[in-house]
Amino acid sequence: KAGVTQTPRYLIKTRGQQVTLSCSPISGHRSVSWYQQTPGQGLQFLFEYFSETQRNKGNFPGRFSGRQFSNSRSEMNVSTLELGDSALYLCASSLDSNNYNSPLHFGNGTRLTVT
Amino acid sequence: AQKVTQAQTEISVVEKEDVTLDCVYETRDTTYYLFWYKQPPSGELVFLIRRNSFDEQNEISGRYSWNFQKSTSSFNFTITASQVVDSAVYFCALSGETGANSKLTFGKGITLSVRP
Repeated sequence: KAGVTQTPRYLIKTRGQQVTLSCSPISGHRSVSWYQQTPGQGLQFLFEYFSETQRNKGNFPGRFSGRQFSNSRSEMNVSTLELGDSALYLCASSLDSNNYNSPLHFGNGTRLTVT
Repeated sequence: AQKVTQAQTEISVVEKEDVTLDCVYETRDTTYYLFWYKQPPSGELVFLIRRNSFDEQNEISGRYSWNFQKSTSSFNFTITASQVVDSAVYFCALSGETGANSKLTFGKGITLSVRP
């Protein structure tokens, strides 16, 4: 069974640009979550989608947005990039949005560098 | 608010030594879930274990064991006879059952280096 796939693996953007990251969950998984990982702040929750609906949201500005498609694939968008947005963005999928029933399975992440 | 504290930031051991990674959590939920994840250099977070707040039984899986103690709000992870392949960053995480607390709250992680 294929794991969580994130594309691209690496991205270099300049300040002010926008970026879209993609995540394909494990087949059959309906919940997709996004996390930002930085050396200073560690792993921080961005948002979770389940059946195309945002179910949970972290404390990030409105420049960070996401969506989920009917096939459970998800995209994350960051507009007006700032230097501080440089991070590893991790996507995770699970069977449903209840952590008890199905733990999160993570992808390899997208390394975003903003210059 | 939920919080996970991994006081150890870096641990270095020699192969075959036992090592314990500490995790202390805070939550007001009566039902919650605790996790350990491993992050090798490739970047992918690998799920290791999940425990429920109402199940305090310790668990052993090969060289790995976990000690969950509600009385001290701790969920420690021990690797017995460590190997070089155990070198990674280990994260402890906590989630509640519903609503805003159902997301995973991670600790800062512990970088484990196992030297040959």
